[in-house]
Amino acid sequence: GENVEQHPSTLSVQEGDSAVIKCTYSDSASNYFPWYKQELGKRPQLIIDIRSNVGEKKDQRIAVTLNKTAKHFSLHITETQPEDSAVYFCAAPARGSGSARQLTFGSGTQLTVLP
Amino acid sequence: DTAVSQTPKYLVTQMGNDKSIKCEQNLGHDTMYWYKQDSKKFLKIMFSYNNKELIINETVPNRFSPKSPDKAHLNLHINSLELGDSAVYFCASSQSADEGNTIYFGEGSWLTVV
Repeated sequence: GENVEQHPSTLSVQEGDSAVIKCTYSDSASNYFPWYKQELGKRPQLIIDIRSNVGEKKDQRIAVTLNKTAKHFSLHITETQPEDSAVYFCAAPARGSGSARQLTFGSGTQLTVLP
Repeated sequence: DTAVSQTPKYLVTQMGNDKSIKCEQNLGHDTMYWYKQDSKKFLKIMFSYNNKELIINETVPNRFSPKSPDKAHLNLHINSLELGDSAVYFCASSQSADEGNTIYFGEGSWLTVV
């Protein structure tokens, strides 16, 4: 199947600093790019998404940028707080082992915000 | 008012046993999924059903058999459990199988095979 690659796998920042997580995808037909946050012991939950007709989307302290030409998209968190500590997953539609396209998740980034 | 609910939340069982995890969604969604999350946190899709029909079946051992009695339910039965099956299994749903839909996850079922 096609891949969604995510970097870094771990990220530590001081409270108040910014955090950036990057993902690349291989399927040029992909046009929907969500980001999920998973707190320890909890379910993954959608925090923001972007579609290919825009290059950037913001929601308070989080923003996502998309570069379709380069096939990468990034999550930006500003003014980080301890409650931002979690595992973050990017995702993009991709073809799996069969012919159906499905949302494929990156490998996750463990973000730790240090007080 | 739980949107996607799955039971049991925790399951500890011996190798060789057969177990089932049940899932129900009250969102009126057409599409349901099973994901496996291993100890390294990788989230891998296993199966997807749209209106009770199987549409995605990733490379999963035949010991795993999903069943969807109606579009609000998707159960997962696992035969002859192995140590490597230990993981968190997430049920999920979305409005439709279109790739631009938000996926809503259940709380997860922690399976430990000893």
